[in-house]
Amino acid sequence: ETGVTQTPRHLVMGMTNKKSLKCEQHLGHNAMYWYKQSAKKPLELMFVYSLEERVENNSVPSRFSPECPNSSHLFLHLHTLQPEDSALYLCASSQARVRNTEAFFGQGTRLTVV
Amino acid sequence: AQKITQTQPGMFVQEKEAVTLDCTYDTSDPSYGLFWYKQPSSGEMIFLIYQGSYDQQNATEGRYSLNFQKARKSANLVISASQLGDSAMYFCAMRDLADRGSTLGRLYFGRGTQLTVWP
Repeated sequence: ETGVTQTPRHLVMGMTNKKSLKCEQHLGHNAMYWYKQSAKKPLELMFVYSLEERVENNSVPSRFSPECPNSSHLFLHLHTLQPEDSALYLCASSQARVRNTEAFFGQGTRLTVV
Repeated sequence: AQKITQTQPGMFVQEKEAVTLDCTYDTSDPSYGLFWYKQPSSGEMIFLIYQGSYDQQNATEGRYSLNFQKARKSANLVISASQLGDSAMYFCAMRDLADRGSTLGRLYFGRGTQLTVWP
């Protein structure tokens, strides 16, 4: 248990569906991250989010949109996904200004787009 | 831009033996941190060990130690007395320690090494 909880753990969705991934942390961290992990590829940073600043990776398609309503919760809203979006989506949190400490990861959501 | 290279897609080690997982990095920043994570088949990334670029001594955490060679830009993970439960994917990662607000402390990951421990 790392203190970062992701739900759901598994998700199967059709290309026309809309779904959301949820991430929750109660570690007092001020930055949260979404990573995508596809087979045989490095982890790809999708979004970095905090109340103070949002950094968005420009290569992320608009069918993915993050939402951070407060410092403890982060969502990834999904709509009209493609089969190549099937991957493990990992959420992480850290103290952005205290960088000699590790990021804590959730267990991930394994997404399958059919 | 930072870059992490893990050249070993897979490694095999017998139980109770030591194994070294390679990691090299490329950065122009003078201040950075190096991390190793373990990812079992369940998917969760588990933090193992950290080394700062200005740390004088190599980091150790139980059976894990980091062989940090700054001039060679390498940060190899050494696992001593391997156990069956060590079988997992291992990732090397780097983070810029300078306060550049726009990066918000993002981690750059290598492709990982799949370690298999056999009895």
